[in-house]
Amino acid sequence: QSALTQPRSVSGSPGQSVTISCTGTSSDVGGYNYVSWYQQHPGKAPKLMIYDVSKRPSGVPDRFSGSKSGNTASLTISGLQAEDEADYYCCSYAGSYTNVFGTGTKVTVL
Amino acid sequence: QVQLVQSGAEVKKPGASVKVSCKVSGYTLTELSMHWVRQAPGKGLEWMGGFDPEDGETIYAQKFQGRVTMTEDTSTDTAYMELSSLRSEDTAVYYCATGADYYYMDVWGKGTTVTVSS
Repeated sequence: QSALTQPRSVSGSPGQSVTISCTGTSSDVGGYNYVSWYQQHPGKAPKLMIYDVSKRPSGVPDRFSGSKSGNTASLTISGLQAEDEADYYCCSYAGSYTNVFGTGTKVTVL
Repeated sequence: QVQLVQSGAEVKKPGASVKVSCKVSGYTLTELSMHWVRQAPGKGLEWMGGFDPEDGETIYAQKFQGRVTMTEDTSTDTAYMELSSLRSEDTAVYYCATGADYYYMDVWGKGTTVTVSS
């Protein structure tokens, strides 16, 4: 199972919007509505930001939103804030009880 | 409120095995999905395997099949991940993670650092 493809880095100024893509195949991202997104600050455990493509857990700001089209899922951060600077990983169910993570994207707030 | 408490850091020699524990509090282990994820230094997250309590299935990522064993002790609400035939590339932080549903992980342990070095 190959890792899902994400851009290595994206950046934006405070208040701007950034979008992170997560490209897989019809066997994972495209085949199921089970894409989740995780934020990870240096030295910390990942934190769930989005699940089931577009649902937000309680406590996650509504600046974070998720979507999917075909084999590509996306995470959009609107109104970028300094504390959003972190690594972000997508994850998709890939059938037969398996999951696969994306390669990870570093978000930099300029 | 589910919490996961992992065992402490380990240093192992190549060829040895390591067993990492993950104690669940605030919930019953049998009602939770359980995943193990690792992260090598400076690298991304890698899903190793998971347990779905609805179907009782434990599935390992193909990369680790034959080397990893994930078990649970329901009497102590503790999950275990054992990795054998360790090599230097297995040096990583190992996380346990759980969720109300098998398809996402909303509670994570703090991670256990495993260093493989001769």
